[in-house]
Amino acid sequence: EVQLVESGGGLVQPGRSLRLSCAASGFTFDDYAMHWVRQVPGKGLEWVSSISWNSGRKGYADSVKGRCTISRDNAKNSLYLQMSGLRPEDTALYYCAKDRAAAGENNWFDPWGQGTLVTVSS
Amino acid sequence: QSVLTQPPSVSGAPGQRVTISCTGSSSNIGAGYDVHWYQHLPGTAPKLLIYGNTNRPSGVPDRFSGSKSGTSASLAITGLQAEDEADYYCQSYDNSLSAWVFGGGTKLTVL
Repeated sequence: EVQLVESGGGLVQPGRSLRLSCAASGFTFDDYAMHWVRQVPGKGLEWVSSISWNSGRKGYADSVKGRCTISRDNAKNSLYLQMSGLRPEDTALYYCAKDRAAAGENNWFDPWGQGTLVTVSS
Repeated sequence: QSVLTQPPSVSGAPGQRVTISCTGSSSNIGAGYDVHWYQHLPGTAPKLLIYGNTNRPSGVPDRFSGSKSGTSASLAITGLQAEDEADYYCQSYDNSLSAWVFGGGTKLTVL
């Protein structure tokens, strides 16, 4: 069974940093691109960042560009999102999701993890 | 303001048919990128419902169907059931933003 388990969320003060992790199992991790998607409480889904199978291509939403770094460790079947300069508007449930392919744009996300909650507040 | 536009809410009685629209532009749906749909119940992981405009993953009932035309797409649900009450999101890719984009989500209420 394909499984994605996020961790690393929590309460953090504005301006501080946080690293989210996503542990993958049940599939050949380095065959697929991966994504981070977030949902602000009461709002819709927002794509945050993506990374291709070999880390050769990375993408970021304008809302986090310059403040977030996505990475992966294929040997550990793990995906990461390093977040810095956190703002109250970054408060959200962060999901990791598996792409349907190793890279490319015309793709969908399946499956998704249960999410990890990041709260940015003083 | 989401790049893809969905109605905030739709409703229908059990057994009825409802449709949810997803309107984009020439840089996403109109550029030929596929549309995918997700069902999201609060407190759970979003679930892929339709991929590649019209395709259902294994296990998704055939009551759910998708279509795409021009710069828009639609999700149709027939034979509404109470368990269909959820939020539904469309998703595509936008080449002017170089980003994957979602609709704002549509809350389906089964009356």
